[in-house]
Amino acid sequence: AQKITQTQPGMFVQEKEAVTLDCTYDTSDQSYGLFWYKQPSSGEMIFLIYQGSYDEQNATEGRYSLNFQKARKSANLVISASQLGDSAMYFCAMREGAGGTSYGKLTFGQGTILTVHP
Amino acid sequence: EPEVTQTPSHQVTQMGQEVILRCVPISNHLYFYWYRQILGQKVEFLVSFYNNEISEKSEIFDDQFSVERPDGSNFTLKIRSTKLEDSAMYFCASSAASPMNTEAFFGQGTRLTVV
Repeated sequence: AQKITQTQPGMFVQEKEAVTLDCTYDTSDQSYGLFWYKQPSSGEMIFLIYQGSYDEQNATEGRYSLNFQKARKSANLVISASQLGDSAMYFCAMREGAGGTSYGKLTFGQGTILTVHP
Repeated sequence: EPEVTQTPSHQVTQMGQEVILRCVPISNHLYFYWYRQILGQKVEFLVSFYNNEISEKSEIFDDQFSVERPDGSNFTLKIRSTKLEDSAMYFCASSAASPMNTEAFFGQGTRLTVV
């Protein structure tokens, strides 16, 4: 079974509108972290936002927020006020493990290509 | 702002040749990783390195691969005898002391093409 599932291969949004990129995860660990990375066409991986499994508040970083629904095992990324520069591939990723057994390996989803239209 | 640096940015090599991909992680980080991304596919974990030894590796990381931290700054990935299917973008990443709740900082990647 996939540990991280991103069901939207591609998404389109109008500039200045908000968009939600879906991510569901599968883990039996109680302690885990969820991350979103942006990969523009130039190829680098840019960290956007982090949510810990014990965090009760949804994480926010500027225009990015993470809609964390623990019971549903979902961690959707919301981008508000989209900009042309937001056009990129977006990856959801998870770190599992606690109690000293984790060395921080990230498991990535398949990614969602976001295209922002003017 | 500190960053992870990878060299070279592009490498073309003949099948069967050895390649070494180099990385300089962020200086106070303790956990180091290599990931790869075959064109158009998701990012896959290869190996993690902590306290001067491999802490975890994936099924992809077979005997053809090795990692080394030869000095206090560099972190290298060696592919002993490259195959066509090794063509991919290779990312180095590093994390601070508590990787569970801090992000991994990625380098800009090395695009390896095996011909």
